[in-house]
Amino acid sequence: EVQLVESGGGLVQPGGSLRLSCAASGFTVSSNYMSWVRQAPGKGLEWVSVIYNGGNTYYADSVKGRFTISRDNSKNTLYLQMNSLRAEDTAVYYCARTGYSYGYGGTYYFDYWGQGTLVTVSS
Amino acid sequence: SYELTQPPSVSVSPGQTARITCSGDALPKKYAYWYQQKSGQAPVLVIYDDSKRPSGIPERFSGSNSGTMATLTISGAQVEDEADYYCYSTDSSGNLWVFGGGTKLTVL
Repeated sequence: EVQLVESGGGLVQPGGSLRLSCAASGFTVSSNYMSWVRQAPGKGLEWVSVIYNGGNTYYADSVKGRFTISRDNSKNTLYLQMNSLRAEDTAVYYCARTGYSYGYGGTYYFDYWGQGTLVTVSS
Repeated sequence: SYELTQPPSVSVSPGQTARITCSGDALPKKYAYWYQQKSGQAPVLVIYDDSKRPSGIPERFSGSNSGTMATLTISGAQVEDEADYYCYSTDSSGNLWVFGGGTKLTVL
């Protein structure tokens, strides 16, 4: 059974840093694409970052240069290092296994999600 | 930038058919996906590749994609289907990964 469990959220001051973790079970993180998706309070979903099985990483413009996605293969765990945090980064952060569908020239999508961890950026 | 547009809300009575639309310029070239999010819970994939249902998703959920509009249809909606529904896809280049704004489905 695929399971994803996030941790590491909390209250942080503007300009501060936080590292989120996502422990996976039922599959191998390094063999899959993995993403972070966030949801501000009362708002919709926003894709944040992806790491491909080969190690390439990509980011939404809103977090580029501030956030870093990574993984620890020995721990089967995904991470999101968040630096220079802003009030607008306040959200529930979900990790999601990311699939790829070959039709229509290829589309990435999210097939399994964790329960999320809340990050609050406030003074 | 790329946007997917959904109606903010849809309301039906139990047993009726609910239809939620999602419009986007790249939908003729890219698959649409649908996620259900109940209050306080994580999103769940209910439709992938325009019209396929993951294991465990009831048959009353179906999807279609024609032209620039994708549609999630819930045939015989039940009270437990009350949730926010998000469509998802990418732009034609595959570089922008975008969710629609979400549609609140009320069944009462």
